[in-house]
Amino acid sequence: AQSVTQPDIHITVSEGASLELRCNYSYGATPYLFWYVQSPGQGLQLLLKYFSGDTLVQGIKGFEAEFKRSQSSFNLRKPSVHWSDAAEYFCAVAPDYGGSQGNLIFGKGTKLSVKP
Amino acid sequence: GAVVSQHPSRVICKSGTSVKIECRSLDFQATTMFWYRQFPKQSLMLMATSNEGSKATYEQGVEKDKFLINHASLTLSTLTVTSAHPEDSSFYICSAHTSGRSQNEQFFGPGTRLTVL
Repeated sequence: AQSVTQPDIHITVSEGASLELRCNYSYGATPYLFWYVQSPGQGLQLLLKYFSGDTLVQGIKGFEAEFKRSQSSFNLRKPSVHWSDAAEYFCAVAPDYGGSQGNLIFGKGTKLSVKP
Repeated sequence: GAVVSQHPSRVICKSGTSVKIECRSLDFQATTMFWYRQFPKQSLMLMATSNEGSKATYEQGVEKDKFLINHASLTLSTLTVTSAHPEDSSFYICSAHTSGRSQNEQFFGPGTRLTVL
């Protein structure tokens, strides 16, 4: 069965410091991978996604993620964190459904706190 | 573009009443809509998948008679929580997908906070 693991429940970083949020997936075929951000009481906003091609994916708000097949990982990074980045971050995987509908399997999320 | 709205954003109801939550795709036609449930400090759990004009497909463990889903048009899906009880209190999020746009991407609504007293 497909699964997504985010090992870190809560991370605190200082403003301006670099950030890396970990995500590992379990899936037999080529996965579609996503990172979403959720602010308190809000829905989810897509930060970036990986379908194929270049394994380093650039997203919005200065985020990037790298797909490493050998490690089954899709870690999210940002070189310099801003206070507004404090939120909950979810990694998700979708089956290789070739463009038709499919559901997303989410990790449990990592809460990011930013110290001034 | 790709905006999904939900109404209401927050609802409080008494135990035993029914609550309807609307999910609308504002600027595109959604062939498929998904309903998720999120408990505090938990991840999103898929409840059901609905395709316009057909019956919803429910995930294992989700009571289809309790969570009624209707996807009557390409821009509107509704989730009705029937005879709500305090354990149904949760954050309900919908998402919309269309095969003709940003393949394999779902666009999420802002969520509805349901509190059952």
